[in-house]
Amino acid sequence: NAGVTQTPKFRILKIGQSMTLQCAQDMNHNYMYWYRQDPGMGLKLIYYSVGAGITDKGEVPNGYNVSRSTTEDFPLRLELAAPSQTSVYFCASSNPYREITETQYFGPGTRLLVL
Amino acid sequence: GQQLNQSPQSMFIQEGEDVSMNCTSSSIFNTWLWYKQDPGEGPVLLIALYKAGELTSNGRLTAQFGITRKDSFLNISASIPSDVGIYFCAGHSPGADKLIFGTGTRLQVFP
Repeated sequence: NAGVTQTPKFRILKIGQSMTLQCAQDMNHNYMYWYRQDPGMGLKLIYYSVGAGITDKGEVPNGYNVSRSTTEDFPLRLELAAPSQTSVYFCASSNPYREITETQYFGPGTRLLVL
Repeated sequence: GQQLNQSPQSMFIQEGEDVSMNCTSSSIFNTWLWYKQDPGEGPVLLIALYKAGELTSNGRLTAQFGITRKDSFLNISASIPSDVGIYFCAGHSPGADKLIFGTGTRLQVFP
């Protein structure tokens, strides 16, 4: 298994541009998550999904959109990039129905710089 | 929103020393997880704790689920340079479907 994969690894955007951060997992996990990690800070939940077709807002959803058309993929969309969205973005997945408790598995991250 | 407080925020230690860090919550948790994030990488699960008082080891790492269910501790014995990174605690409160993450403890090990 490749686990959780994210693309691209690094991207520079101009203010106002849009982009999609890709995330895929091959572990057949129901739950998927998007976090952002600002320099020197912890993880903040942006959006999450408990299954295909279901998404919910996390702590910091403004400026982002997500979709979950398949179990494997959970893309994160930035419509109008702003400097405040400069961060490292982590995708994670888990399957609480298969394990005793929910342990999340993280991708390697996408580093985004908005200038 | 609910928060987990980790302390210390950062540690600078010499190779071979033992390390202790903790995580506290204002409310009870059902599970506690400890993750490590290497520089430039995503967090990786180290230890998962499922019941109050549980003590679990993973090599040189030992973590405990506090009796009050409001805290957890992580100890690293005989630190080595590859222990460098950020250590995050995370937990599930009863009935919650999302993990809550701590703010992280940044560990630096000097040879």
